[in-house]
Amino acid sequence: EPEVTQTPSHQVTQMGQEVILRCVPISNHLYFYWYRQILGQKVEFLVSFYNNEISEKSEIFDDQFSVERPDGSNFTLKIRSTKLEDSAMYFCASSDWDPRTGSGYTFGSGTRLTVV
Amino acid sequence: RKEVEQDPGPFNVPEGATVAFNCTYSNSASQSFFWYRQDCRKEPKLLMSVYSSGNEDGRFTAQLNRASQYISLLIRDSKLSDSATYLCVVPSPTDKLIFGTGTRLQVFP
Repeated sequence: EPEVTQTPSHQVTQMGQEVILRCVPISNHLYFYWYRQILGQKVEFLVSFYNNEISEKSEIFDDQFSVERPDGSNFTLKIRSTKLEDSAMYFCASSDWDPRTGSGYTFGSGTRLTVV
Repeated sequence: RKEVEQDPGPFNVPEGATVAFNCTYSNSASQSFFWYRQDCRKEPKLLMSVYSSGNEDGRFTAQLNRASQYISLLIRDSKLSDSATYLCVVPSPTDKLIFGTGTRLQVFP
């Protein structure tokens, strides 16, 4: 079964440092997403990406965040200057999006980001 | 009303029990709905899709009441392996998924 692959699985970084979270979506999917989940809270949408540009972003996704698809296979989330409150699980997802079935949505196993 | 609202639980039930989770949503235009399962510190995984009045898959039944903007998930004959958090999810018209806070289920022997 095709998978969305995320690396690293766990990243510890100092406050103020830049981090890049990496994802390899399913190859024939066209829509890519980042979600985050702070420990004990719900999964929250950050950003969606289609046709090499951001299609939607949440209010969480401020100027500190950026996304890129540098080489046609990887999809990255960059946080420029990390804050303690950025500590969370970050999930990448990709889909070929069928609104009726939702079955096109696949999540990666996540990157646990800890900012110290 | 919150976009997606669930009872957080936890629901503690013995093996073999039947348990039901409820979810309400605010967007009356929503056409499809999902139940995801999430194990501790893992990614959400799709359990069931609901886009008409209901859906059944083995021990799992999802029902939709559009008039009340209410979705339910029923699990029959609970197994220890059903212990997880069950997430009610409603897609937005722009394809992002809106998650509820989840309902935690603990099945004990």
